[in-house]
Amino acid sequence: QVKLQQSGAELVKPGASVKLSCKTSGYTFSTSYMSWFKQIPGQSIEWIGMIYAGDGGTGYNQKFKGKATLTVDTSSSTAYMDLSSLTTEDSAVYFCARSPMGIDWFAYWGQGTLVTVSS
Amino acid sequence: DIQMTQSPASLSASLGETVTIECRASEDIYNGLAWYQQKPGKSPQLLIYNANSLHTGVPSRFSGSGSGTQYSLKINSLQSEDVASYFCQQYYDYPTFGAGTKLELK
Repeated sequence: QVKLQQSGAELVKPGASVKLSCKTSGYTFSTSYMSWFKQIPGQSIEWIGMIYAGDGGTGYNQKFKGKATLTVDTSSSTAYMDLSSLTTEDSAVYFCARSPMGIDWFAYWGQGTLVTVSS
Repeated sequence: DIQMTQSPASLSASLGETVTIECRASEDIYNGLAWYQQKPGKSPQLLIYNANSLHTGVPSRFSGSGSGTQYSLKINSLQSEDVASYFCQQYYDYPTFGAGTKLELK
């Protein structure tokens, strides 16, 4: 079955960067789309951007351009998101989720990674 | 950006009751709408896509309807396991979500 396994919680200092991972199994990674989301606990969900694993093509929410960089490693069926110049406002749970055709609905989600930015 | 206005923000209902959650889009989204259920500490779970298509494995007491800018999620015969937050999401443009509805038992 489809599985998306995200990396563990991160505690990072302001100004630092962090790289989150989303390891997949159970489907053909190289022909799929992966999106990333941000959710501050108790609040709504924001779409950060998506990447097509076939060619690494990306699309970003304007709000997260310069903050997030999406990449993939097709050899390990893993998607990554780099978050840079972290501030306390970046403290949140980050999810990866697979969509069938790009920007549409999301049937498969990772379990989420909590990022805490604190000195 | 397409804004999604979801209501109510919170809802208290009894077991067996029927509840309805609404989402209004800031422009026509041509049925490009999904509904999710999220329990505390968990990832969102897809319930409905294309406004009214039930995702595989989702109980039939969940249903979606609407068109244009107005959409709704109905839960018939509320069960205890339905206590959760619910979010709408449009995908006519880049994805945006409603603010969520927290459903509790009365």
